[in-house]
Amino acid sequence: DGGITQSPKYLFRKEGQNVTLSCEQNLNHDAMYWYRQDPGQGLRLIYYSQIVNDFQKGDIAEGYSVSREKKESFPLTVTSAQKNPTAFYLCASSRENIQYFGAGTRLSVL
Amino acid sequence: AQSVTQLDSQVPVFEEAPVELRCNYSSSVSVYLFWYVQYPNQGLQLLLKYLSGSTLVKGINGFEAEFNKSQTSFHLRKPSVHISDTAEYFCACSSSASKIIFGSGTRLSIRP
Repeated sequence: DGGITQSPKYLFRKEGQNVTLSCEQNLNHDAMYWYRQDPGQGLRLIYYSQIVNDFQKGDIAEGYSVSREKKESFPLTVTSAQKNPTAFYLCASSRENIQYFGAGTRLSVL
Repeated sequence: AQSVTQLDSQVPVFEEAPVELRCNYSSSVSVYLFWYVQYPNQGLQLLLKYLSGSTLVKGINGFEAEFNKSQTSFHLRKPSVHISDTAEYFCACSSSASKIIFGSGTRLSIRP
């Protein structure tokens, strides 16, 4: 089955800790994205990558970092600088103007 | 700059009744338009898309939407809803392959 796999489904972060969310796709898409979803606010773009070894900041990149070493993988690190990390995080890839989403990771702070 | 406005944050309807979820967009260039559905604790699933051609677009689960350029709208409709349609619905627009702008979502609740 082709698709986007996000792991873990639930993640807890302690104060001052960095955590990494995994996103893997086997759709052979060049472009990948990370969004943050908060209740009543829709989706906000954190980072996106249009090609391997290249990525750009989205609207709310502060406190986050990414890498794109492989076409299939686009991990997101939530750093200790992100003071309000509790949210639902969605990864997506795109082809021909259509975005396809993973099932999401829910991050909470202990 | 582009923007997407979903006029209703919540829409309650009775089962088997028709429903319309409203979406307006703002863009200075030609756009592609989308509706996505999100079930609780899941990712977004594409319902339908308008890229070009016919302004009436049919999607999955019996939904359809009409692109109206003069009114800059892309409202989503279904003639008869089912309990299983309970979800959050997001309208989105894009003018390039790199970025897509989402509305704030409309929560559709179906009453038996």
